[in-house]
Amino acid sequence: EVEMVESGGGLVQPGRSLRLSCAASGFTFDDYAMHWVRQAPGEGLEWVSGISWNSANIGYADSVKGRFTISRDNAKNSLYLQMNSLRAEDTALYYCAKDFSTGLDAFHIWGQGTMVTVSS
Amino acid sequence: DIQMTQSPSSLSASVGDRVTITCRASQSIGSYLNWYQLKPGKAPKLLFYAASTLQSGVPSGFSGSGSGTDFTLTISGLQPEDSAIYYCQQSYSTPLTFGGGTKVEI
Repeated sequence: EVEMVESGGGLVQPGRSLRLSCAASGFTFDDYAMHWVRQAPGEGLEWVSGISWNSANIGYADSVKGRFTISRDNAKNSLYLQMNSLRAEDTALYYCAKDFSTGLDAFHIWGQGTMVTVSS
Repeated sequence: DIQMTQSPSSLSASVGDRVTITCRASQSIGSYLNWYQLKPGKAPKLLFYAASTLQSGVPSGFSGSGSGTDFTLTISGLQPEDSAIYYCQQSYSTPLTFGGGTKVEI
């Protein structure tokens, strides 16, 4: 069974950093691109970042560019999101999602999410 | 960036009704359009890939169509379990963007 389990969320002060992790299982991890998608309380979905199967193609939403860094370790079947200079508006449920293909395309299978709260 | 506009933002319908949700892109995106279903406390679910490719496990009452800038998601024979928020998403170019969502109430 394909599964993504996110971890690393929590309460953090504005300006601080947090690193999210996503452990994937049930599929050949390095055959697919991976993404982070978030949903702020009461808001819609927002794509945060995506990374191709070989890390050659990486994209970010304008709202996080320069502050967040996505990475993956294919040997560990893991996806990461390093979040720096966090702001109140980064408060959201962060989902890890497996792509439909090797490139940045559709969000085929999603995890349950990990909550990030940025507040003093 | 490509803007995605969904309408309506919410709708209320009865069991057995047919409902249609519209998604419009700010520029032509071919068939690079996907639909998702969100229910509280559950992981989001991909319904359609490439505008009209129904995903495994999605009931046949769901259909997707469109190309270019205009797309539709239709639910025929609405069921209580179809109560959810539905989102469209373009995969034509990054940043990947979603529509604002349509809340369907039964």
